[in-house]
Amino acid sequence: AQKVTQAQTEISVVEKEDVTLDCVYETRDTTYYLFWYKQPPSGELVFLIRRNSFDEQNEISGRYSWNFQKSTSSFNFTITASQVVDSAVYFCALSENNAGNMLTFGGGTRLMVKP
Amino acid sequence: GAVVSQHPSRVICKSGTSVKIECRSLDFQATTMFWYRQFPKQSLMLMATSNEGSKATYEQGVEKDKFLINHASLTLSTLTVTSAHPEDSSFYICSARGTRGGQPQHFGDGTRLSIL
Repeated sequence: AQKVTQAQTEISVVEKEDVTLDCVYETRDTTYYLFWYKQPPSGELVFLIRRNSFDEQNEISGRYSWNFQKSTSSFNFTITASQVVDSAVYFCALSENNAGNMLTFGGGTRLMVKP
Repeated sequence: GAVVSQHPSRVICKSGTSVKIECRSLDFQATTMFWYRQFPKQSLMLMATSNEGSKATYEQGVEKDKFLINHASLTLSTLTVTSAHPEDSSFYICSARGTRGGQPQHFGDGTRLSIL
């Protein structure tokens, strides 16, 4: 069975600091997909990234970057120069075999960016 | 991009009321829809998977007679919380995926259900 662990339940930083959110996963499948979602206080899930298990290239999108390491089963998310608008709960998730299969979510990390 | 509409966004009602939540895929056909529940300050937990034209598959511990799911068309799935009680108060989120394999899920904006 698959499992996603986000060890950090809450992180508080001051604006402009860099912050890394950790995600560790477990799966028996060789084909799987990893996701990060942002959930602001309004509740909707905002899709940030999807990565399949065969693509270990790190990705950068503006202030966001992701580090996928199969060797440690980790898919960490870094926000550079954090802003107050980054305050939200961030979820890492996993789906096995097919990107459209059910998602197993991590417990989420609540990020608070203070001005 | 693909859009999933979930309605209503917020419901407040008395204990014993049945509440229906709709999940619509607006610009694609969704063969599969998922229903998740999220309690305050917790993660999303899958409740059930519904496939168009067939019975929903419920996760362990989810009462199918309590949470009725209907996926009558390729663009609409409904979740009915029957005889809701305060412990059913939660945030319910649906997601839908298209007919082509490998497509990711698209999420609705969620329904915040409060039972008094």
